Amino acid sequence: QQQVKQSPQSLIVQKGGISIINCAYENTAFDYFPWYQQFPGKGPALLIAIRPDVSEKKEGRFTISFNKSAKQFSLHIMDSQPGDSATYFCAASKGGSQGNLIFGKGTKLSVKP
Amino acid sequence: EAGVAQSPRYKIIEKRQSVAFWCNPISGHATLYWYQQILGQGPKLLIQFQNNGVVDDSQLPKDRFSAERLKGVDSTLKIQPAKLEDSAVYLCASSFTGVPGYTFGSGTRLTVV
Repeated sequence: QQQVKQSPQSLIVQKGGISIINCAYENTAFDYFPWYQQFPGKGPALLIAIRPDVSEKKEGRFTISFNKSAKQFSLHIMDSQPGDSATYFCAASKGGSQGNLIFGKGTKLSVKP
Repeated sequence: EAGVAQSPRYKIIEKRQSVAFWCNPISGHATLYWYQQILGQGPKLLIQFQNNGVVDDSQLPKDRFSAERLKGVDSTLKIQPAKLEDSAVYLCASSFTGVPGYTFGSGTRLTVV
C-alpha cells in the first residue's frame, strides 16, 4: 500500500520557470510533511517542511502549499535554476519531525538553461 | 558541523554472503535511522534508534537483517545472508531531539550478484 503518492515522475522546466510537484496522502494521522532534495550519489537533504495546521509555507524560492481536506500538498520552485536539477521527494510522518518518514517515489527535475 | 559518516561507500557481494555497514551520526544526535533506498524509489525506514534503544523496527526483515547501536553513538547494520533484492543504497540518518528534520549520510550502495 503506497501511503504517499507523488507526481509527476519526471519534470523538465526552463530556467526561470516554475516547477510544481504534487503529493497525495491517505493517512489522516500524518502530522509532518517535508520535502527532500537528493543529488546523485548523495543522501536526501531537507528542503522545507510543513505541519497540517498551516496552509502554506515559503522559504526563499521554495513554497509548500497544503490542502488538508483534499489530503494533498505540493512543492513550488519559483525562478527554477539549473542547480535545482535533482530528485525531489515528498514525505509524511505521524511521529512529527523525528518519526518514521514515508516517502513518495520521487520526481526527477531537470532545469534547462 | 560534521555530517553523518557512512562506510563503505560501495560494496559488491555474492548472494548468500554477509555484509555490514557502519554509521557515525552527528555528535549529540540521539536518534539514528537506517533507511533502504531501492533504485527509482523513495527511502524506506528499516530501523530507528533513540540512544541505544530500538524505537521502530517493524519493517526490518529480521530473518536476515540486524542492527545495533552500542553506547548510543555509532551503529552497524548487517545482512546475512544477502539476497539479490537487497541491492539498494543503505542510508543512515540522525536527528537532534527538538530540532525538526533528519540529516542523511551519503549512503552505502550495495550490489548483490
